[in-house]
Amino acid sequence: GDSVTQMEGPVTLSEEAFLTINCTYTATGYPSLFWYVQYPGEGLQLLLKATKADDKGSNKGFEATYRKETTSFHLEKGSVQVSDSAVYFCALSDRGYQKVTFGTGTKLQVIP
Amino acid sequence: EAQVTQNPRYLITVTGKKLTVTCSQNMNHEYMSWYRQDPGLGLRQIYYSMNVEVTDKGDVPEGYKVSRKEKRNFPLILESPSPNQTSLYFCASSLSQGFDGYTFGSGTRLTVV
Repeated sequence: GDSVTQMEGPVTLSEEAFLTINCTYTATGYPSLFWYVQYPGEGLQLLLKATKADDKGSNKGFEATYRKETTSFHLEKGSVQVSDSAVYFCALSDRGYQKVTFGTGTKLQVIP
Repeated sequence: EAQVTQNPRYLITVTGKKLTVTCSQNMNHEYMSWYRQDPGLGLRQIYYSMNVEVTDKGDVPEGYKVSRKEKRNFPLILESPSPNQTSLYFCASSLSQGFDGYTFGSGTRLTVV
């Protein structure tokens, strides 16, 4: 079946540091890939997505590139802010299985 | 404003007392789904619905029921709650089967004692 593996957190960074959160996936078909963000006490929000190989999703300074050869979709941001502190979820949607599979989430804490 | 509305936000109940968590979306989405979020396990799908009167089990359906009588509503029913159903629950909707990305509700924190 499909699966998503994320790096374990928590990740603690200083403000303006470079962020990478690793995400790799296993899927039998050609999935769409997503990053969601969950701020404390809130539901998940779609951050960015990519639907095919080599696509780059971007939003609010975050980027991720769909790498089919390495089955990865790593999230990056050049300069994090305290307001980026949240839990980040990688997810895939496989048309064949008609479902969305989430990773376990990575907590990011940005300190001033 | 386009949104998914869940109620209640917080609920404490006793073992065996039937409860319903409501979910409503105003975006005319066809696909709706329920997830539970537990520490270390991420989000696990309970049930999903591809359209009115069409529902199917997700990964962890035991102890839950759903119905989809109207396109906008997708209630989650716990007929006889048990302590292992203590969790954070999210309803989500999408135009299609998650391909465009979900819109999530704000969550319902359920405690069963």
